[in-house]
Amino acid sequence: AQKITQTQPGMFVQEKEAVTLDCTYDTSDPSYGLFWYKQPSSGEMIFLIYQGSYDQQNATEGRYSLNFQKARKSANLVISASQLGDSAMYFCAMSGTGANSKLTFGKGITLSVRP
Amino acid sequence: KAGVTQTPRYLIKTRGQQVTLSCSPISGHRSVSWYQQTPGQGLQFLFEYFSETQRNKGNFPGRFSGRQFSNSRSEMNVSTLELGDSALYLCASSLGGSPDTQYFGPGTRLTVL
Repeated sequence: AQKITQTQPGMFVQEKEAVTLDCTYDTSDPSYGLFWYKQPSSGEMIFLIYQGSYDQQNATEGRYSLNFQKARKSANLVISASQLGDSAMYFCAMSGTGANSKLTFGKGITLSVRP
Repeated sequence: KAGVTQTPRYLIKTRGQQVTLSCSPISGHRSVSWYQQTPGQGLQFLFEYFSETQRNKGNFPGRFSGRQFSNSRSEMNVSTLELGDSALYLCASSLGGSPDTQYFGPGTRLTVL
């Protein structure tokens, strides 16, 4: 079974500063993917970044980077130079292979960016 | 490329009725997955269809069903609606590999009265 844990309470960050959102995971699948999604109040789930379990380097997508520590089973999202539009709910998710190919989500973290 | 589209965006039904939600995936994507999102249970996987076949199924009662057509469009149906079925229903499409990035539609917000 796959499990994603996001335990941070609501997070606050000052505009233009960096913020780290924590995520730990558990799986017995040797091949898996880790994802971060952003959900604004409108409800749409927006894909941000992907990290494969065999990727040697941490993934980056513009202002988003994923700090992947395989031995610790953590996949933290780092948002650099926060913008007001970054205020949203952020979900960490994972998928494996076969019957585990579905996305398993964490409970999410609310991020508020202060001007 | 156009994104994932879902119709309708909002629905209000009463208990006992049934409802059908529709999802059109990104062009070229053969896998469509459905998720239910509620404040209490979070995001839960309903089922996945790939090339018109159900490939994965979550832990939902048989009142929840789905299908996929030859053009990869998918529908999900909920029969005998209950108050607890009120939720945001999200559809996601992908190429179909595993693991694979899933791209979500805007969702259908269902309210059961």
